[in-house]
Amino acid sequence: AQSVTQPDIHITVSEGASLELRCNYSYGATPYLFWYVQSPGQGLQLLLKYFSGDTLVQGIKGFEAEFKRSQSSFNLRKPSVHWSDAAEYFCAVGTSGTYKYIFGTGTRLKVLA
Amino acid sequence: NAGVMQNPRHLVRRRGQEARLRCSPMKGHSHVYWYRQLPEEGLKFMVYLQKENIIDESGMPKERFSAEFPKEGPSILRIQQVVRGDSAAYFCASSRTGDPPEQYFGPGTRLTVT
Repeated sequence: AQSVTQPDIHITVSEGASLELRCNYSYGATPYLFWYVQSPGQGLQLLLKYFSGDTLVQGIKGFEAEFKRSQSSFNLRKPSVHWSDAAEYFCAVGTSGTYKYIFGTGTRLKVLA
Repeated sequence: NAGVMQNPRHLVRRRGQEARLRCSPMKGHSHVYWYRQLPEEGLKFMVYLQKENIIDESGMPKERFSAEFPKEGPSILRIQQVVRGDSAAYFCASSRTGDPPEQYFGPGTRLTVT
């Protein structure tokens, strides 16, 4: 069955520290991969997406993600976290010919001053 | 260029009442998707609609839930006889035609059933 796993429910980092949020997927076909951010009480904002091509994807707000087919992973990274990055982050997967996104359960990021 | 709009943003209903959630897709988008986010969980697909057609409702509960996307006007997600377990955030997304369907999400409607 298709699934998306975000192993870390909560992550706490200090402001200025680097960040990596993990996402693993199980999908039979070539996946389309997305990272969204959700601030409390808000909707989802697309950070970045991967459809094909270069496996290192640059997004908004200084985020990047790398698609590793051999590891079925699409981890999100940021070199230096800002206090405003505190939010919940969702990884999602889609595939050609379908329209349902499969979402992970999210990782809640806390940033210490 | 307005994004996906949803209203109301917050909705409180007593058990047994009806809830109607509206979604206006982005301009030029003819595909609408509804997702539900239960507390502390990710989003779960509910239904996919095009104008006047339900394409896939495999994620919708079999009873009390229905959705439509009329020729004119917004898409509506309707929940009849709400129960406490319906309390959740309901997100609408829209896309153009094409593959892949890049979905743009609205701000959500937070339904609370008392």
